[in-house]
Amino acid sequence: QKEVEQDPGPLSVPEGAIVSLNCTYSNSAFQYFMWYRQYSRKGPELLMYTYSSGNKEDGRFTAQVDKSSKYISLFIRDSQPSDSATYLCAMSEAYMNYGGSQGNLIFGKGTKLSVKP
Amino acid sequence: GAVVSQHPSWVICKSGTSVKIECRSLDFQATTMFWYRQFPKQSLMLMATSNEGSKATYEQGVEKDKFLINHASLTLSTLTVTSAHPEDSSFYICSARDWALEDNEQFFGPGTRLTVL
Repeated sequence: QKEVEQDPGPLSVPEGAIVSLNCTYSNSAFQYFMWYRQYSRKGPELLMYTYSSGNKEDGRFTAQVDKSSKYISLFIRDSQPSDSATYLCAMSEAYMNYGGSQGNLIFGKGTKLSVKP
Repeated sequence: GAVVSQHPSWVICKSGTSVKIECRSLDFQATTMFWYRQFPKQSLMLMATSNEGSKATYEQGVEKDKFLINHASLTLSTLTVTSAHPEDSSFYICSARDWALEDNEQFFGPGTRLTVL
């Protein structure tokens, strides 16, 4: 069983729709949860960052973490064509571990999102 | 946010040749840099972690003699793919962490697409 599971899509929605992206994981030691956006042939850029359980909102984006269910979500409200990209979830056990591996990020496969005008 | 650059952005080489990829943190000091590989429709897979001034730590299954990593300064890490073969064709992405920041954020470079003929 892979540590992080993410539906690769593709997911196609009309402009203005609410988008829900999800990941599940198996390692209960994960504490830090991130969502990255990656445009084609570009490196990932950090969108949202959450520690432990709870919600975090930033503009049109909301990240949710449910550690009891080992499930994280990213919601995009009022989606725009410019949101079309691949969205990667990532998580790690620790935020700082010099010389160790607990701070390493484990990525999902990414979900390709297309927002149609 | 902090900026990480990679050079070259793409490279095509013949089988058996060696290719060097540079990763630079432009406006911060990166005591730790990470090298990832991403095959089409797959997640980013961590290849190795390098701390400035010390040997890189390779993930299981990654040949350290084939993927040479040098992190000689706080702003530069290089990955050399030695005797490249077509199966090494992939998207190589580096990231850098700034220990001055109290979170787990890694800043990613734009990636280097390697094609081995």
